[in-house]
Amino acid sequence: VQLVESGGGVVQPGRSLRLSCAASGFTFNNYTFHWVRQAPGKGLEWVAVISYDGANKYYAGSVKGRFTISRDTSKNTLYLRMNSLRTEDAAVYYCARDADTTMAWNYCYMDVWGKGTTVTVSS
Amino acid sequence: DIQMTQSPSTLSASVGDRVTITCRASQSINTWLAWYQQKPGKAPKLLIYKASSLESGVPSRFSGGGSGTEFTLTISSLQPDDFATYYCQQYNSYWTFGQGTKVEIK
Repeated sequence: VQLVESGGGVVQPGRSLRLSCAASGFTFNNYTFHWVRQAPGKGLEWVAVISYDGANKYYAGSVKGRFTISRDTSKNTLYLRMNSLRTEDAAVYYCARDADTTMAWNYCYMDVWGKGTTVTVSS
Repeated sequence: DIQMTQSPSTLSASVGDRVTITCRASQSINTWLAWYQQKPGKAPKLLIYKASSLESGVPSRFSGGGSGTEFTLTISSLQPDDFATYYCQQYNSYWTFGQGTKVEIK
């Protein structure tokens, strides 16, 4: 069971970036996924969620309207498209698997995490 | 939005000590609470879910309790591998983390 993030890097304020999270070792289609971020020296902040079937997507207020979460079942991959990046978006971005296995929309905790990818927003 | 507040922010303790971290929710979350451990440069690791259920593979010295708005994470006998930052997280309505509690060597 593994999640591997990629796509981080250095980007100027106002620009865009797309993060990816490749899943392996389990049935990707059965799970809801999250993005969680951690600014340097700070705590964890939930960013976005996408349900197992892609029908439900929710965002933290700090990123709503700028970030888009999506998934590609053919590639077992989760994405986070980040537009209009701000300096305060700089963080390590983790993808995390929701522990719910009922294939219904339920709030649940996160049982598997990737190692994270670092996003730096600087001019 | 549900706010989560942990105390203390930092805790100094010695190997073998019994350690308790408190997490308070701004409104009732029943027992929809998880605890995670994070070491520097690493991803968070799930320890406890549904307030008191121990995740598979997590040592039994870790235990969780509480319901409603007040919760605790207890380490019965602190081990060298336990020095880390601990986060509570509510999943009653969306997801919110506490600010973290760093357990450091006394």
